[in-house]
Amino acid sequence: GAVVSQHPSWVICKSGTSVKIECRSLDFQATTMFWYRQFPKQSLMLMATSNEGSKATYEQGVEKDKFLINHASLTLSTLTVTSAHPEDSSFYICSARGRKGILGNQPQHFGDGTRLSIL
Amino acid sequence: DQQVKQNSPSLSVQEGRISILNCDYTNSMFDYFLWYKKYPAEGPTFLISISSIKDKNEDGRFTVFLNKSAKHLSLHIVPSQPGDSAVYFCAASALGWGNEKLTFGTGTRLTIIP
Repeated sequence: GAVVSQHPSWVICKSGTSVKIECRSLDFQATTMFWYRQFPKQSLMLMATSNEGSKATYEQGVEKDKFLINHASLTLSTLTVTSAHPEDSSFYICSARGRKGILGNQPQHFGDGTRLSIL
Repeated sequence: DQQVKQNSPSLSVQEGRISILNCDYTNSMFDYFLWYKKYPAEGPTFLISISSIKDKNEDGRFTVFLNKSAKHLSLHIVPSQPGDSAVYFCAASALGWGNEKLTFGTGTRLTIIP
Protein backbone atom coordinates (compact mmCIF):
# COMPACT_ATOMS: atom_id res chain seq x y z
CA GLY A 1 0.00 0.00 0.00
CA ALA A 2 0.88 3.67 -0.12
CA VAL A 3 3.67 4.77 2.19
CA VAL A 4 3.88 8.06 3.99
CA SER A 5 7.03 8.82 5.95
CA GLN A 6 7.03 11.33 8.80
CA HIS A 7 10.16 12.60 10.49
CA PRO A 8 11.15 12.96 13.26
CA SER A 9 9.10 10.50 15.26
CA TRP A 10 9.90 12.14 18.60
CA VAL A 11 11.13 15.57 19.55
CA ILE A 12 11.94 17.07 22.93
CA CYS A 13 12.94 20.71 22.98
CA LYS A 14 13.00 23.81 25.11
CA SER A 15 10.22 26.35 25.21
CA GLY A 16 10.68 29.09 22.63
CA THR A 17 12.37 26.99 19.97
CA SER A 18 10.92 26.17 16.57
CA VAL A 19 10.42 22.61 15.41
CA LYS A 20 10.06 21.38 11.85
CA ILE A 21 8.26 18.14 11.01
CA GLU A 22 8.54 16.58 7.55
CA CYS A 23 5.95 14.48 5.77
CA ARG A 24 6.86 12.61 2.59
CA SER A 25 4.83 10.42 0.27
CA LEU A 26 7.30 7.76 -0.83
CA ASP A 27 5.54 5.95 -3.67
CA PHE A 28 2.87 8.30 -4.94
CA GLN A 29 2.36 11.95 -5.73
CA ALA A 30 0.36 13.66 -3.02
CA THR A 31 -1.69 16.46 -4.46
CA THR A 32 -3.06 17.16 -1.01
CA MET A 33 -1.50 16.74 2.41
CA PHE A 34 -3.19 17.13 5.77
CA TRP A 35 -1.87 17.86 9.23
CA TYR A 36 -3.64 16.53 12.31
CA ARG A 37 -3.13 16.82 16.01
CA GLN A 38 -4.18 14.24 18.57
CA PHE A 39 -4.50 14.79 22.30
CA PRO A 40 -4.45 11.80 24.67
CA LYS A 41 -7.56 9.67 24.43
CA GLN A 42 -9.10 11.96 21.84
CA SER A 43 -9.69 11.70 18.15
CA LEU A 44 -7.53 13.17 15.41
CA MET A 45 -8.32 16.83 14.82
CA LEU A 46 -7.53 18.36 11.45
CA MET A 47 -5.29 21.41 11.71
CA ALA A 48 -4.79 22.34 8.08
CA THR A 49 -5.00 21.17 4.49
CA SER A 50 -2.29 21.95 1.99
CA ASN A 51 -2.24 21.61 -1.76
CA GLU A 52 1.04 21.55 -3.63
CA GLY A 53 2.13 25.00 -4.66
CA SER A 54 -0.58 26.92 -2.82
CA LYS A 55 -1.19 28.27 0.66
CA ALA A 56 -2.52 25.97 3.33
CA THR A 57 -6.10 26.19 4.51
CA TYR A 58 -6.29 26.26 8.28
CA GLU A 59 -9.14 25.02 10.43
CA GLN A 60 -10.91 27.40 12.75
CA GLY A 61 -8.91 28.08 15.88
CA VAL A 62 -5.55 27.04 14.42
CA GLU A 63 -3.02 29.88 14.32
CA LYS A 64 -1.41 29.99 10.88
CA ASP A 65 1.50 32.08 12.16
CA LYS A 66 2.14 29.51 14.85
CA PHE A 67 1.91 26.44 12.65
CA LEU A 68 3.63 27.17 9.36
CA ILE A 69 2.92 24.73 6.56
CA ASN A 70 4.87 24.43 3.35
CA HIS A 71 3.93 22.03 0.55
CA ALA A 72 6.76 22.68 -1.86
CA SER A 73 6.48 19.53 -3.96
CA LEU A 74 4.12 16.67 -4.69
CA THR A 75 5.99 14.46 -2.25
CA LEU A 76 6.89 16.77 0.64
CA SER A 77 5.05 18.92 3.14
CA THR A 78 6.51 20.44 6.29
CA LEU A 79 4.91 21.71 9.48
CA THR A 80 6.93 24.17 11.56
CA VAL A 81 5.77 24.85 15.10
CA THR A 82 7.19 28.29 15.78
CA SER A 83 8.20 29.49 19.24
CA ALA A 84 6.85 26.30 20.76
CA HIS A 85 5.44 26.31 24.28
CA PRO A 86 4.45 23.45 26.61
CA GLU A 87 0.81 23.68 25.50
CA ASP A 88 1.95 22.78 21.98
CA SER A 89 3.07 19.38 23.24
CA SER A 90 1.02 16.82 21.37
CA PHE A 91 1.05 14.06 18.78
CA TYR A 92 1.14 15.49 15.25
CA ILE A 93 0.24 13.28 12.29
CA CYS A 94 0.33 14.02 8.60
CA SER A 95 -1.57 12.32 5.84
CA ALA A 96 -1.32 12.41 2.07
CA ARG A 97 -3.83 11.83 -0.66
CA GLY A 98 -3.13 11.19 -4.32
CA ARG A 99 -5.09 12.20 -7.36
CA LYS A 100 -8.49 10.66 -7.89
CA GLY A 101 -7.92 7.56 -9.95
CA ILE A 102 -9.99 5.48 -12.30
CA LEU A 103 -11.23 3.49 -9.34
CA GLY A 104 -12.65 6.57 -7.72
CA ASN A 105 -11.71 8.42 -4.58
CA GLN A 106 -8.33 7.89 -2.99
CA PRO A 107 -8.09 7.51 0.79
CA GLN A 108 -5.73 9.49 2.93
CA HIS A 109 -2.63 7.58 3.97
CA PHE A 110 -1.03 8.52 7.26
CA GLY A 111 2.48 8.86 8.55
CA ASP A 112 3.44 7.38 11.90
CA GLY A 113 3.22 10.69 13.70
CA THR A 114 5.57 12.91 15.66
CA ARG A 115 5.40 13.16 19.41
CA LEU A 116 6.39 16.68 20.36
CA SER A 117 7.30 17.47 23.96
CA ILE A 118 8.11 21.05 24.91
CA LEU A 119 9.85 21.54 28.23
CA ASP B 1 -20.38 18.85 18.27
CA GLN B 2 -19.22 15.31 17.55
CA GLN B 3 -20.37 14.64 14.00
CA VAL B 4 -18.96 11.12 13.91
CA LYS B 5 -19.55 8.92 16.93
CA GLN B 6 -18.25 5.58 17.99
CA ASN B 7 -20.26 4.82 21.08
CA SER B 8 -18.33 1.73 22.13
CA PRO B 9 -14.90 2.69 23.45
CA SER B 10 -13.87 -0.95 23.66
CA LEU B 11 -14.84 -4.38 22.37
CA SER B 12 -13.54 -7.87 23.13
CA VAL B 13 -14.09 -10.75 20.73
CA GLN B 14 -12.99 -14.35 20.74
CA GLU B 15 -10.49 -15.34 18.05
CA GLY B 16 -12.25 -16.79 15.02
CA ARG B 17 -15.55 -15.04 15.73
CA ILE B 18 -16.94 -11.97 14.01
CA SER B 19 -16.02 -8.48 15.22
CA ILE B 20 -18.56 -5.76 14.54
CA LEU B 21 -17.58 -2.15 15.06
CA ASN B 22 -20.20 0.55 14.79
CA CYS B 23 -20.17 4.19 13.82
CA ASP B 24 -22.91 6.82 13.62
CA TYR B 25 -22.82 10.20 11.95
CA THR B 26 -25.02 13.26 12.00
CA ASN B 27 -23.96 15.29 8.96
CA SER B 28 -26.09 14.32 5.96
CA MET B 29 -23.50 15.86 3.61
CA PHE B 30 -21.02 13.08 4.37
CA ASP B 31 -20.71 10.85 1.32
CA TYR B 32 -17.41 9.02 1.74
CA PHE B 33 -16.59 6.87 4.74
CA LEU B 34 -13.42 5.13 5.79
CA TRP B 35 -12.17 2.81 8.48
CA TYR B 36 -8.65 3.07 9.86
CA LYS B 37 -6.76 0.83 12.25
CA LYS B 38 -4.24 2.29 14.65
CA TYR B 39 -1.54 0.77 16.82
CA PRO B 40 0.04 2.77 19.68
CA ALA B 41 2.69 5.28 18.57
CA GLU B 42 1.85 4.72 14.91
CA GLY B 43 -0.28 6.57 12.41
CA PRO B 44 -3.65 5.17 11.30
CA THR B 45 -3.57 2.52 8.59
CA PHE B 46 -6.28 2.63 5.95
CA LEU B 47 -8.48 -0.48 5.93
CA ILE B 48 -11.51 0.00 3.75
CA SER B 49 -13.80 2.71 2.45
CA ILE B 50 -17.27 3.09 1.05
CA SER B 51 -18.98 5.71 -1.04
CA SER B 52 -22.55 6.71 -0.27
CA ILE B 53 -23.71 5.27 -3.60
CA LYS B 54 -23.07 1.82 -2.17
CA ASP B 55 -24.35 0.03 0.89
CA LYS B 56 -21.66 -2.60 1.15
CA ASN B 57 -18.00 -2.97 0.32
CA GLU B 58 -15.93 -6.06 0.94
CA ASP B 59 -12.18 -6.61 1.00
CA GLY B 60 -10.98 -9.95 2.28
CA ARG B 61 -11.92 -10.36 5.93
CA PHE B 62 -13.22 -6.79 6.13
CA THR B 63 -16.71 -5.68 5.10
CA VAL B 64 -18.17 -2.23 5.60
CA PHE B 65 -21.92 -1.70 5.60
CA LEU B 66 -23.56 1.68 5.15
CA ASN B 67 -27.14 2.50 6.13
CA LYS B 68 -27.72 6.02 4.89
CA SER B 69 -31.24 6.37 6.25
CA ALA B 70 -29.98 5.53 9.73
CA LYS B 71 -26.70 7.42 9.25
CA HIS B 72 -24.90 4.35 10.46
CA LEU B 73 -21.98 2.31 9.25
CA SER B 74 -20.34 -0.78 10.57
CA LEU B 75 -17.15 -2.71 10.02
CA HIS B 76 -17.27 -6.50 10.13
CA ILE B 77 -14.10 -8.50 10.58
CA VAL B 78 -14.42 -12.24 10.09
CA PRO B 79 -12.75 -14.34 11.22
CA SER B 80 -11.13 -12.18 13.89
CA GLN B 81 -7.42 -12.74 14.45
CA PRO B 82 -5.12 -11.69 17.33
CA GLY B 83 -3.34 -9.25 15.01
CA ASP B 84 -6.60 -7.37 14.63
CA SER B 85 -6.27 -6.07 18.18
CA ALA B 86 -5.93 -2.29 17.78
CA VAL B 87 -7.94 0.93 17.94
CA TYR B 88 -10.33 1.36 15.02
CA PHE B 89 -11.44 4.78 13.83
CA CYS B 90 -14.22 5.53 11.42
CA ALA B 91 -13.97 8.73 9.42
CA ALA B 92 -16.22 10.63 7.05
CA SER B 93 -15.93 13.37 4.48
CA ALA B 94 -18.18 15.31 2.14
CA LEU B 95 -16.18 14.71 -1.04
CA GLY B 96 -19.12 15.35 -3.33
CA TRP B 97 -19.33 18.82 -1.83
CA GLY B 98 -15.67 19.45 -2.51
CA ASN B 99 -14.65 18.93 1.09
CA GLU B 100 -11.82 16.46 1.58
CA LYS B 101 -11.63 17.07 5.30
CA LEU B 102 -11.88 13.87 7.32
CA THR B 103 -13.91 13.94 10.49
CA PHE B 104 -12.92 11.13 12.81
CA GLY B 105 -14.79 9.25 15.47
CA THR B 106 -13.22 8.77 18.89
CA GLY B 107 -12.21 5.18 18.20
CA THR B 108 -13.02 1.70 19.47
CA ARG B 109 -10.33 -0.44 21.03
CA LEU B 110 -10.75 -3.99 19.75
CA THR B 111 -9.18 -6.83 21.69
CA ILE B 112 -9.13 -10.30 20.17
CA ILE B 113 -8.98 -13.01 22.80
CA PRO B 114 -6.95 -16.07 21.75
